Order: sequence, then structure tokens, then C-alpha cells
Amino acid sequence: GESVGLHLPTLSVQEGDNSIINCAYSNSASDYFIWYKQESGKGPQFIIDIRSNMDKRQGQRVTVLLNKTVKHLSLQIAATQPGDSAVYFCAEKRNYGQNFVFGPGTRLSVLP
Amino acid sequence: DGGITQSPKYLFRKEGQNVTLSCEQNLNHDAMYWYRQDPGQGLRLIYYSQIVNDFQKGDIAEGYSVSREKKESFPLTVTSAQKNPTAFYLCASSAQTGLSTEAFFGQGTRLTVV
Repeated sequence: GESVGLHLPTLSVQEGDNSIINCAYSNSASDYFIWYKQESGKGPQFIIDIRSNMDKRQGQRVTVLLNKTVKHLSLQIAATQPGDSAVYFCAEKRNYGQNFVFGPGTRLSVLP
Repeated sequence: DGGITQSPKYLFRKEGQNVTLSCEQNLNHDAMYWYRQDPGQGLRLIYYSQIVNDFQKGDIAEGYSVSREKKESFPLTVTSAQKNPTAFYLCASSAQTGLSTEAFFGQGTRLTVV
């Protein structure tokens, strides 16, 4: 069946280091991907998205990489800060698809 | 400010009662969604609506009901048939365009059965 999953449920990094959060998806028809950040007790916030006609997209301190060959998505956070501590979800959607499919999430902990 | 608003933030329900969670958006989005999140888990789709007066079941619709009488509003009723309703409920909306766009989320309602 369709699924979006994450390789690591938890990730701890030192403040100032770079973080990489991974996501695997199984539906080759997916053509739109989003990363969300969720802080405790709050709704998910959009971080960055990428369409399947791209391999890489950069935002402020964040980069999303898409490898369609192996159905893999990653989120890179540069110079990780304490405020980056949260759960990160990847989500996928098919163009003209009706809903989003979310992965289980990775908890990022930033160590002082 | 444009956004999506869920209310109440916290809700307590006695067993056997129905409760309704509110979700309102002023983003002029066509599509709206309800997700359930359990502790340490991802988001599971309950119901979604692509247009007014139409909605579809998601993966875990049993024990829930929705309505979409207005574009701005997509209330979720948790019925007494839902055996384990204690969870964090998230409402989202997205523009209905040819190319996909992101979903915007509300701040959630935490429902507890007492």
C-alpha cells in the first residue's frame, strides 16, 4: 500500500551542527513533497516543499533533497539551533490527488 | 490575519457523549482536512472535503462525522461510537489548484475522555 516513512524516529545533534532528517516513500506516483515542523502541543508548520521535477530546493537554513530513483526525501538543517527542536514530518501528495499522506515523524533534539 | 482556527484548544468529554470540534478558515481554501494524532505518532486522516457540500472518508472515519455547509467551516463531531477518542485533533486546509500546494494547519484541539 501507499506509505511514507522515516528511517530514524529520534535524532540528537549538537547546537551549531548540521542535521539531516530522512524520509522514504513508496508511491512512485507522488509528485509533491512537504516537510513540516511540529512543536509540542501545536499544529504542524510548513517548512519547505519540493515538486518531483526538482532534485533540490533551498530555503533559509534548510535544504530538501529528493531522490526519485530510490524514493527518498531528506531535510537538511544548517547550523542547528535550540529552536529547531521539534518533530519533523514529511508528507506526500499526488498531483491532483485528494489528500496528503504523512510519515510517522522524527524527533529532533538539539543539545547545548 | 488569514489563517485557520480551531476551537476549543482543550475539550473534555464524558463517555457516551458526542462532541463537536470547530474548524474555521479565512484563506478562501477549497479543501479542508481533519487528522488525528496520538502521542508519539504521525497524523492519520479522518475526513476530508474538496468542496462545499461534499466530503470523503479518510483512513479512520469510524465513529466520526463531518459537515461542509460553508466553505469556511468544517466541523468534526466525535460520536459515542468512537471507542478511543482521546487524542490531539488537527484541522488543515489547502488551495484546490491544479498543482499541489501545502496544507495549512490549525493549532489543534486536545480531546480527553473523562
